[in-house]
Amino acid sequence: NAGVTQTPKFQVLKTGQSMTLQCAQDMNHNSMYWYRQDPGMGLRLIYYSASEGTTDKGEVPNGYNVSRLNKREFSLRLESAAPSQTSVYFCASSEWDIGIYEQYFGPGTRLTVT
Amino acid sequence: AQSVTQLGSHVSVSEGALVLLRCNYSSSVPPYLFWYVQYPNQGLQLLLKYTSAATLVKGINGFEAEFKKSETSFHLTKPSAHMSDAAEYFCAVSGRRDDKIIFGKGTRLHILP
Repeated sequence: NAGVTQTPKFQVLKTGQSMTLQCAQDMNHNSMYWYRQDPGMGLRLIYYSASEGTTDKGEVPNGYNVSRLNKREFSLRLESAAPSQTSVYFCASSEWDIGIYEQYFGPGTRLTVT
Repeated sequence: AQSVTQLGSHVSVSEGALVLLRCNYSSSVPPYLFWYVQYPNQGLQLLLKYTSAATLVKGINGFEAEFKKSETSFHLTKPSAHMSDAAEYFCAVSGRRDDKIIFGKGTRLHILP
């Protein structure tokens, strides 16, 4: 099993450009998540999907959109990138298993907006 | 509402010394608690989790944590630090049957030779 995969690993954008971060999991999990990680801020939830076809805003959704394409894939789109969106983005997935949801993380996408 | 507070954004210990990373939680419901580790340029990996089965939880790589309800704490310890333990550690909390978790701001552990 590959677990959770993310593409691309690195990306540099100019202000105003758009891009989509891709995430896929092969663990048949229902729940998927997008986080951003900034120095001294920990991980903050951007968007969340409890199942195929549903999405909900997290703590910091402004400037982002998401699509839960199917059970495996959950993409994050920046329509008009801003320097404040420079961050490391992590995708995660989870499933109810023996009394707990345990999240599994991808390797991250390091995004720089100039 | 739930939250976790990690005391100390950076902790330095000598190789072979005790590692103690502090985490206090706030939760209006009985919590589940987690410690995750992030090695440089990698994603997060689960170290251990508390689900109320036992207050002392053992994880991978020799780490353990003790749930203390009276102190609302879930501190992470390892008896003897190794250079490979240098990483960032995150404490996290969720409610029972909640599929979202709240992360602390992280503690970067430095190991001194």
